[in-house]
Amino acid sequence: GAGVSQTPSNKVTEKGKYVELRCDPISGHTALYWYRQSLGQGPEFLIYFQGTGAADDSGLPNDRFFAVRPEGSVSTLKIQRTERGDSAVYLCASSPTRGDKYNEQFFGPGTRLTVL
Amino acid sequence: AQSVTQLDSHVSVSEGTPVLLRCNYSSSYSPSLFWYVQHPNKGLQLLLKYTSAATLVKGINGFEAEFKKSETSFHLTKPSAHMSDAAEYFCVVSVVVSGNTPLVFGKGTRLSVIA
Repeated sequence: GAGVSQTPSNKVTEKGKYVELRCDPISGHTALYWYRQSLGQGPEFLIYFQGTGAADDSGLPNDRFFAVRPEGSVSTLKIQRTERGDSAVYLCASSPTRGDKYNEQFFGPGTRLTVL
Repeated sequence: AQSVTQLDSHVSVSEGTPVLLRCNYSSSYSPSLFWYVQHPNKGLQLLLKYTSAATLVKGINGFEAEFKKSETSFHLTKPSAHMSDAAEYFCVVSVVVSGNTPLVFGKGTRLSVIA
């Protein structure tokens, strides 16, 4: 079946602009995660959704970052007043919460964000 | 809190020789441990996972890893490297806390395979 998809694959913006990054999880996966991968580093956790609610947003770096998942499927990560330090690859993962794949996260290809 | 340390940032092997990528973990609880692979411009792919069953875990593409609690290690091995194995490898730990299982990644080990 279809995997996790993310759009756009690349986003170039200017410092101070607002951006939205979209994630389409695997159908039926109730858990959704956002991670950020800076150059030369492993991905770092940002936020976790169980259904429509953000169950854990402790990884968001500051209040310029916000994410929603209004219908429990597609999620959007929103970044206000972008800074050059926000440049990174933003990864989305989804996970089933039952069955033999429980606790296994399936990753999308990521969105590469460049802030000029 | 949990963490992983990947002991080598870069490993280079000749094609057909064994691969060893080293990982040590720290966790206050019984961890789940994973190895993910990331090829250039591709998404992260799960190689294998340990979730408190057998300590020797077999994964895809001939990779395997052994969970050693006494050494807090979860090293990844493969008997014979292929050119297609060249990629970035991440050791990952996860602990289930109230249904949330955020993954904690190591910094990665870049594997180069020389013809």
